[in-house]
Amino acid sequence: NAGVTQTPKFQVLKTGQSMTLQCAQDMNHEYMSWYRQDPGMGLRLIHYSVGAGITDQGEVPNGYNVSRSTTEDFPLRLLSAAPSQTSVYFCASSPRPGGETQYFGPGTRLLVL
Amino acid sequence: AQSVTQLDSQVPVFEEAPVELRCNYSSSVSVYLFWYVQYPNQGLQLLLKYLSGSTLVKGINGFEAEFNKSQTSFHLRKPSVHISDTAEYFCAVSYPNTGNQFYFGTGTSLTVIP
Repeated sequence: NAGVTQTPKFQVLKTGQSMTLQCAQDMNHEYMSWYRQDPGMGLRLIHYSVGAGITDQGEVPNGYNVSRSTTEDFPLRLLSAAPSQTSVYFCASSPRPGGETQYFGPGTRLLVL
Repeated sequence: AQSVTQLDSQVPVFEEAPVELRCNYSSSVSVYLFWYVQYPNQGLQLLLKYLSGSTLVKGINGFEAEFNKSQTSFHLRKPSVHISDTAEYFCAVSYPNTGNQFYFGTGTSLTVIP
C-alpha cells in the first residue's frame, strides 16, 4: 500500500491563480480530511469528507473547495490564491470518522506570491 | 469552543534525560486523545492514542501518556530520550459523540541536546 499520497510536493503561485492539490489513498478509508499547518498554530481543519459524495467544512474553509467523487481521491481546490494561503497542506484519511487514527500524507508546501 | 492546549511550545532536554510534554483539552465529555509526532519535512505519525480502558497508554519508541479525566490532561512522557526523538509533537482530541472533527494543539518542539 502506498498509503496517503499528495501531489505536488511544492508549488509557487501568484496571487489570483487557481490550482488543485491532489490527495489519494489506497486503504479504502471512508474519512478524508485536509489540514493546513502554519507556524505557532498547529494543524487546522479545512474540509473533510465522511464518504464519497459527502463533504463538510472544517475550521478554516474560506477560499477552498473540495469534492469526493470516489473513495480514493479528495482534491483540494484553491479558487483564487492569496498570500494568506501560503502554508503546508496535509491530507489525512482514516477508516471511519470519530476516534480512528488518521494517516497523513507527506504534505504540499505552497507559496503564494 | 472545543480545543487542545499544549502548554510548552519548545522543550530542550539533554540526551538520556526524562521528558514530559503537556496537553490539556477543554471538555470533560467523552473524548478520544492522540499524540502525533512530526519529523522535519514529513507528515504526522501516530505515537499513541486513548479511546477507552486503562488510563496509561503505551506507544511506539518508548513513549507513554496518561489520561486524567479530572484534570482534562493527556501528558506525554518518556523516561530517557534519544537524539532521534528531536521532532514536533502534536496532541489531538476528537469527540466521538458530537462530530467527526479532530482538533490539534499548536505543537511542542522537542530538542534533544547531546
